[in-house]
Amino acid sequence: DTGVSQDPRHKITKRGQNVTFRCDPISEHNRLYWYRQTLGQGPEFLTYFQNEAQLEKSRLLSDRFSAERPKGSFSTLEIQRTEQGDSAMYLCASSLVMSSGANVLTFGAGSRLTVL
Amino acid sequence: AQTVTQSQPEMSVQEAETVTLSCTYDTSESDYYLFWYKQPPSRQMILVIRQEAYKQQNATENRFSVNFQKAAKSFSLKISDSQLGDAAMYFCAYRSYTSAGNQFYFGTGTSLTVIP
Repeated sequence: DTGVSQDPRHKITKRGQNVTFRCDPISEHNRLYWYRQTLGQGPEFLTYFQNEAQLEKSRLLSDRFSAERPKGSFSTLEIQRTEQGDSAMYLCASSLVMSSGANVLTFGAGSRLTVL
Repeated sequence: AQTVTQSQPEMSVQEAETVTLSCTYDTSESDYYLFWYKQPPSRQMILVIRQEAYKQQNATENRFSVNFQKAAKSFSLKISDSQLGDAAMYFCAYRSYTSAGNQFYFGTGTSLTVIP
């Protein structure tokens, strides 16, 4: 297992276009998170999945954003009708939640979105 | 919501010297986890060290150690014998214990420069 993979690493798009990011978590991990990181800021929580169920969404996740995790494996984050304010690094992380409550995030390298 | 504050946007340290990065947080919970993550330039975030709030003993990982002051809600990271490879953004993060670990709250980061 090579860790958390994200694709594409960079995406440049014009305002109004749709974009989709993919995340492949560590195979034995049951939880998957999406975060957004803008320049000079720490990661901001967007949403997370426990297996295939999306359990929580941030207020940052407007109606233009949708995330899926079919079959509890890879996940996609789609942004519709992109705006310049969507320009950011989109980070995916996965973790294995154990009965002890231990839950450590393993991050991917991120997908950088630039909206022109 | 919990907040995590890193008041040092930038820090520098001479190679082989020791540096301490500060982090404070605000919470009403008694049980939680604290983390330090490292994000090298253009590379993914990796876990440096973690601390369970119910443990009084400060966590240590090789050259990295923390000073956890629960009453003061302070969680500083000490890097001893600094190396060039320690240069990175460092993020302090908080996660609730009782909510089975959904959101991780991150600070805004401290950029560490290591001077040869």
